[in-house]
Amino acid sequence: EDKVVQSPLSLVVHEGDTVTLNCSYEVTNFRSLLWYKQEKKAPTFLFMLTSSGIEKKSGRLSSILDKKELFSILNITATQTGDSAVYLCAGNGNTGNQFYFGTGTSLTVIP
Amino acid sequence: DARVTQTPRHKVTEMGQEVTMRCQPILGHNTVFWYRQTMMQGLELLAYFRNRAPLDDSGMPKDRFSAEMPDATLATLKIQPSEPRDSAVYFCASGLSLHGLTHQPQHFGDGTRLSIL
Repeated sequence: EDKVVQSPLSLVVHEGDTVTLNCSYEVTNFRSLLWYKQEKKAPTFLFMLTSSGIEKKSGRLSSILDKKELFSILNITATQTGDSAVYLCAGNGNTGNQFYFGTGTSLTVIP
Repeated sequence: DARVTQTPRHKVTEMGQEVTMRCQPILGHNTVFWYRQTMMQGLELLAYFRNRAPLDDSGMPKDRFSAEMPDATLATLKIQPSEPRDSAVYFCASGLSLHGLTHQPQHFGDGTRLSIL
């Protein structure tokens, strides 16, 4: 059964801390792994990873994929209160149109 | 910015009533996905379409749910009759599929928050 598991379920940190969010996956005919940030409304796209070992960066956020160990991490450095959100990861596989979402990591950044 | 538009944003109705949710995908996108999000289950895929054809609706309770794309600019998700357990946020997302694969990340609408009393 295809599945994506995220950890931790929730995290509370202080501004300025660095956090690492984890995502492990078992996806048939895996093609890519995606990270989304969800605040009050729709998930917004952060990264799409297709190759192992290549870090993608956007400002204070970065992510990397390990296709051998079947996991990905999302790092956020120098966290800010605006980073508070649920972070979702999704595995894309099988027919290429199937996306399997984890239940998310809820991040709260305290001033 | 191009965006996926969903209506209504909120819907409160009594059990047994029909509910219709609408989605306008981003112009030029040819795949449409319907998801349901609850605290307990997270995001669950209900159905997806490519070029208006339904490819997978295995995640959808067939007896009461139906999804259609009457044209390329409109996707609908209907529940009839609705039940309290259908209360959730329903998201529509669209993407671009080339050679049968969705290569681009999905773009989500803001969702329809549905409450069945």
